[in-house]
Formats: sequence, structure tokens, C-alpha cells
Amino acid sequence: AQSVTQPDIHITVSEGASLELRCNYSYGATPYLFWYVQSPGQGLQLLLKYFSGDTLVQGIKGFEAEFKRSQSSFNLRKPSVHWSDAAEYFCAVGPPSAANNLFFGTGTRLTVIP
Amino acid sequence: GAVVSQHPSRVICKSGTSVKIECRSLDFQATTMFWYRQFPKQSLMLMATSNEGSKATYEQGVEKDKFLINHASLTLSTLTVTSAHPEDSSFYICSARGTGGFFEAFFGQGTRLTVV
Repeated sequence: AQSVTQPDIHITVSEGASLELRCNYSYGATPYLFWYVQSPGQGLQLLLKYFSGDTLVQGIKGFEAEFKRSQSSFNLRKPSVHWSDAAEYFCAVGPPSAANNLFFGTGTRLTVIP
Repeated sequence: GAVVSQHPSRVICKSGTSVKIECRSLDFQATTMFWYRQFPKQSLMLMATSNEGSKATYEQGVEKDKFLINHASLTLSTLTVTSAHPEDSSFYICSARGTGGFFEAFFGQGTRLTVV
């Protein structure tokens, strides 16, 4: 069965500090993996995506994520957090098909303190 | 990148009335669209999969007679909340997955429904 686990419900970091958001997945085949960000009252914006190739992928807004097959993980990182990064972050996994939905983790809320 | 537009962004309606939410893919054709419901500070809950030209597929526990979905064209899906009640108040989001490359999901802006 497919599932996505984001162990951290809420993370607080200081502005300028580094960030890592954890994501573990369970999927029967090679998954397509995504990270999305959601600001309050908004839809979701794609940060980055991975299917194959280099296991370290770069996304928008200075984010990157590393795929580790042995750990079934796809953690999101940012070397220096900005106040505008405060938002809800969702990890998702899905098949390579437009006909199937993505499975989402429960999300991690990021708070950035000055 | 592909754009999905959802309208309205906010709606307040009286209990017992119906509300229609539109989801459009603006620059690509979406044979399939997905409707989600999101409760405060929670993840997205898939309600149904909307298929162009055929009946929607509803997730277990979602009342198909309350949440009517119509996908009449390759660029438009609608969700109608019928006989709305306060417990239907929520944030509703639609999405469509791209048909090439990574098949990433593109999301509408969401609709905040408040039933009073």
C-alpha cells in the first residue's frame, strides 16, 4: 500500500538557520516523488520533483531534496531559511500517470522566528 | 508551467443551499481531475476523481449525492455541494496532473466554503 509519512508536525527554525524536513514513503514500484508548499488559504505549489537520475534534486526558492532508496526517504533541505518560507510543506508520492492521484503526507508546518 | 484555476476562492452560503465550485485547466487538457478537502491544519483528503465524459469515482465515505462532480470538458470540472450544512464548511482544492514528464500535480487556488 502506498503511504507517505512526515514525522514532524511542526518545526520552528530561526531565520538564516538550515532546515531539513523529513519524508518517508512506502510504494510498490519506483515512485515519482514531490514536495509541495502551501501558504495559508492557498493551493499547493510544486517545489521540486524526482523520478530518476541524480538523487539530489534542486527546486525553486533554494530548496533541494535527496532521494535515498535504501531508507525510502526524500528529505527536503534548505541551507538558510527566510521568513517567507513559513508555510505548510507536503511530501507526495505517485505513479507516472495523469489518471492517478498523488498520495500526500500529513504535512509539516514551518515557523520561522527572527 | 501548467495552470489550474479554481473559482470562487471564497464563498459563504446559507444552510440548505447548493454551491458550485469550478476547476479549469487553463493551458492543458485534463482528462482526469482530483477534488480534495482539507480541514484546518490537516493534509489533503481525496474526495473523488473526476473523469471527463464519465462518472466520477468517489472515495469511501464521500457522499456522491451531496458532492456532485461533473467533468463535461477536457478543461473543466465542477464540484457542487448540495444542500450544504455547516459541517460541509471546509477548504476544497482541485488538481490535475500533467500528461508528460513527471506528471506533477497542478493545484487550483482552493475554495474556502463557509456554510452559515
